[in-house]
Amino acid sequence: DGGITQSPKYLFRKEGQNVTLSCEQNLNHDAMYWYRQDPGQGLRLIYYSQIVNDFQKGDIAEGYSVSREKKESFPLTVTSAQKNPTAFYLCASSPAGGNEQFFGPGTRLTVL
Amino acid sequence: DAKTTQPTSMDCAEGRAANLPCNHSTISGNEYVYWYRQIHSQGPQYIIHGLKNNETNEMASLIITEDRKSSTLILPHATLRDTAVYYCIVRFRLFGNEKLTFGTGTRLTIIP
Repeated sequence: DGGITQSPKYLFRKEGQNVTLSCEQNLNHDAMYWYRQDPGQGLRLIYYSQIVNDFQKGDIAEGYSVSREKKESFPLTVTSAQKNPTAFYLCASSPAGGNEQFFGPGTRLTVL
Repeated sequence: DAKTTQPTSMDCAEGRAANLPCNHSTISGNEYVYWYRQIHSQGPQYIIHGLKNNETNEMASLIITEDRKSSTLILPHATLRDTAVYYCIVRFRLFGNEKLTFGTGTRLTIIP
């Protein structure tokens, strides 16, 4: 099946630890995105990548880092510098010239 | 990207048409109107988009006013599975990979 996978669905970490969230797509899409969602709020863009080996900061990039070494993979690292990391994280991808973004199921990160 | 204004919540009886309004009074001539929805704890799902003509697909219809300052998403025969948060987004579409800016959306509840 083609689609976007995020793992794990739920993730718990201790405060001060870095954690990496996985996002993989087999849709052959060029662009990939990471969003953060807090309770009762809309999605906010963290980072996006329109092509392999290139990425740009979104609206709330501080405390996060990404890499795009392969077209199908766009991992997000939540560093200890992120002050409020507990949130629902969503990954998305879109084809070149496409109209829609396809979203993964999300990872709910809780920092204790 | 132009800002959008949506009602916080709406109810609709099952089987009736659900009409979700969106104001985007500062929209510019080459900005598109997109609609996504998010069912609880899942990733958002693309519904429809348009520039100035009315659009229809298997999920919904999009009615854009002639001055393009507002639009309405219509779900013709709402079912319980249409209960979700609906986001109206306005953005440029040059290459198709541009980022989306999500507001807080409208929480639509379908009443049995």
